[in-house]
Amino acid sequence: GIQVEQSPPDLILQEGANSTLRCNFSDSVNNLQWFHQNPWGQLINLFYIPSGTKQNGRLSATTVATERYSLLYISSSQTTDSGVYFCAVGDNSKLTFGKGITLSVRP
Amino acid sequence: GAGVSQSPRYKVAKRGQDVALRCDPISGHVSLFWYQQALGQGPEFLTYFQNEAQLDKSGLPSDRFFAERPEGSVSTLKIQRTQQEDSAVYLCASSSPLDLNTEAFFGQGTRLTVV
Repeated sequence: GIQVEQSPPDLILQEGANSTLRCNFSDSVNNLQWFHQNPWGQLINLFYIPSGTKQNGRLSATTVATERYSLLYISSSQTTDSGVYFCAVGDNSKLTFGKGITLSVRP
Repeated sequence: GAGVSQSPRYKVAKRGQDVALRCDPISGHVSLFWYQQALGQGPEFLTYFQNEAQLDKSGLPSDRFFAERPEGSVSTLKIQRTQQEDSAVYLCASSSPLDLNTEAFFGQGTRLTVV
């Protein structure tokens, strides 16, 4: 099956700093999503981005499907950005998740 | 409804007990998925429905796990004779693949603890 690798596994930032989270995957896909899992366990949709670039406020994402990677950019980080960020890839019938990146933003 | 709804939010079961977890997908969403998330891990696929048809159940860990969606809307994941290793968060997701965007939306999950 598809392998998904996320890096770095853990990230500690000072409030206001910028960061880049990376997702590599082993096969071509037609679905790629980034999620933020909050402390209550809810998976919050950040981006649906099988290819191209999207921006939403302080967050943006880029997927280069031909090279099998995606990047999530967080600018001017806030303490509320803390949590686990998941990349998930797949097709219409299922998603394969990476192990997640734990982000801690310190005030 | 506005989002995917799961119930109960928390369930404690004694080992050997049967449990049933419910998922209400987003209204009109054709596809429904169940995932299992162990502590500190990413969610792992269990099974997939398109309307009432279960098209993929390759992720179900044993024959103690059974899922149904009889009318193509609400789904139930049933676990028989629960074991301690079944303790996890069970997540339900839905999507509408009738257009090019197949974005999946997740419920808040059911945290199952088997004691």
